[in-house]
Amino acid sequence: EPEVTQTPSHQVTQMGQEVILRCVPISNHLYFYWYRQILGQKVEFLVSFYNNEISEKSEIFDDQFSVERPDGSNFTLKIRSTKLEDSAMYFCASSEGGASGNIQYFGAGTRLSVL
Amino acid sequence: AQSVTQLGSHVSVSEGALVLLRCNYSSSVPPYLFWYVQYPNQGLQLLLKYTTGATLVKGINGFEAEFKKSETSFHLTKPSAHMSDAAEYFCAVSHTGTASKLTFGTGTRLQVTL
Repeated sequence: EPEVTQTPSHQVTQMGQEVILRCVPISNHLYFYWYRQILGQKVEFLVSFYNNEISEKSEIFDDQFSVERPDGSNFTLKIRSTKLEDSAMYFCASSEGGASGNIQYFGAGTRLSVL
Repeated sequence: AQSVTQLGSHVSVSEGALVLLRCNYSSSVPPYLFWYVQYPNQGLQLLLKYTTGATLVKGINGFEAEFKKSETSFHLTKPSAHMSDAAEYFCAVSHTGTASKLTFGTGTRLQVTL
C-alpha cells in the first residue's frame, strides 16, 4: 500500500540552526500538508500546499518557516532559525483531492529536538 | 472556526468490553469528520471518515462511528476491545472543500486490560 515517508525520524539541532524536514508524499496525490504535535498537546495544522504554492497557513507558520516541492517527489519544511519551542513531532500528509473527501494520509513523523 | 472536543484523555477497558470514545465538534458549516489512530512511534492512520450519506460509518479493525448532527457528535465505538487496540485516538474535523485543513481534538489514550 502506498505510504507517506518522512526523513529523518529524529533530528537534533542547536537553537538558531536551520533544519529541513523531508517528506515523500504518495505519488498520485496533489495536496500536501505539514502538521506538528508538541509533546502532550494536540496535532496542529501548519500549512497546506497545492500546485507549487501555499493554499493555507496557520498563525504558527511565520516567516521562519517555508515549504518547497523541489522536484516531482519531495516536499520539504524548512525552519530557518530554530527555537526551543519548535521542538515537536512534525507530520507530513498528502491527499488526492477531488472526490476523495479530503482523506489525508500521514507519515510516521520527524521528531525535532532543539537544544 | 472549527473545533473538536474529546472527553476523556484516558480510557481503560477490559479485553472484550465495549469501547466508546467520545467526540463532539463545532462547525459553522457541514463538516467532514474523521477518526485517526496513532500507535506508539508511528504516524496517524485513518480509522474511518464521514463525508456525506449514511451517518453510521464503518472503519478498519471493527470500529464504527455515528454522525449525529443534532448532538454535534461523532463517537467511536467497537463492540469488543482487543489488546491490539491500545493506542491514541484522535477525532478531527474539516470543511468539505478539497484540501481543507484538519482540526484535531486532544486525543484519547485507550488502554486495554486483561
